[in-house]
Amino acid sequence: EDQVTQSPEALRLQEGESSSLNCSYTVSGLRGLFWYRQDPGKGPEFLFTLYSAGEEKEKERLKATLTKKESFLHITAPKPEDSATYLCAVLDAGGTSYGKLTFGQGTILTVHP
Amino acid sequence: KAGVTQTPRYLIKTRGQQVTLSCSPISGHRSVSWYQQTPGQGLQFLFEYFSETQRNKGNFPGRFSGRQFSNSRSEMNVSTLELGDSALYLCASSLEGGVSPLHFGNGTRLTVT
Repeated sequence: EDQVTQSPEALRLQEGESSSLNCSYTVSGLRGLFWYRQDPGKGPEFLFTLYSAGEEKEKERLKATLTKKESFLHITAPKPEDSATYLCAVLDAGGTSYGKLTFGQGTILTVHP
Repeated sequence: KAGVTQTPRYLIKTRGQQVTLSCSPISGHRSVSWYQQTPGQGLQFLFEYFSETQRNKGNFPGRFSGRQFSNSRSEMNVSTLELGDSALYLCASSLEGGVSPLHFGNGTRLTVT
């Protein structure tokens, strides 16, 4: 069974203090690893897809990386508006994986001004 | 481009009743997936539809059902509601339901009393 574990559960940063969120995963075969951001009262917002080990994607202050066992979401010089819950999810390479992402429990990021 | 639209945003139902939730996907997206989000279990996959056919189903009881119409709009039904069904129900659409990313709506908050 696919498993996704995110750490830490919560992270408090000062504005400008860079850090990383971790996502460890176990799948029989990885088709894709996804990062989402979720604000209170809203649905998850898509950030990145990573497909294979060594791949990196960047968007503004966020950079996602992927190894064979985990993914990191690096946040450089965060701002208060980066405060949100960050979710990691995997799509299994199995033939019956249509639409089925396995999500981690998320990391709640709070950035103080 | 309009995002995924879910209606209603909030619902309060009594135990034993049934409920229908509606989802309009992003134009051109043919795959619609449904997820249940609770504080304890996080995001859990319910089912996925593509071209009016259910292609994948999660581990939920038969009280949870869905359908997709020819215009890709989807509905989800929960019969004989239980207190534990209280959750945020999220609909997500994607181009084809494989590795293309899911784009989520803001959900329907269901409270069962």
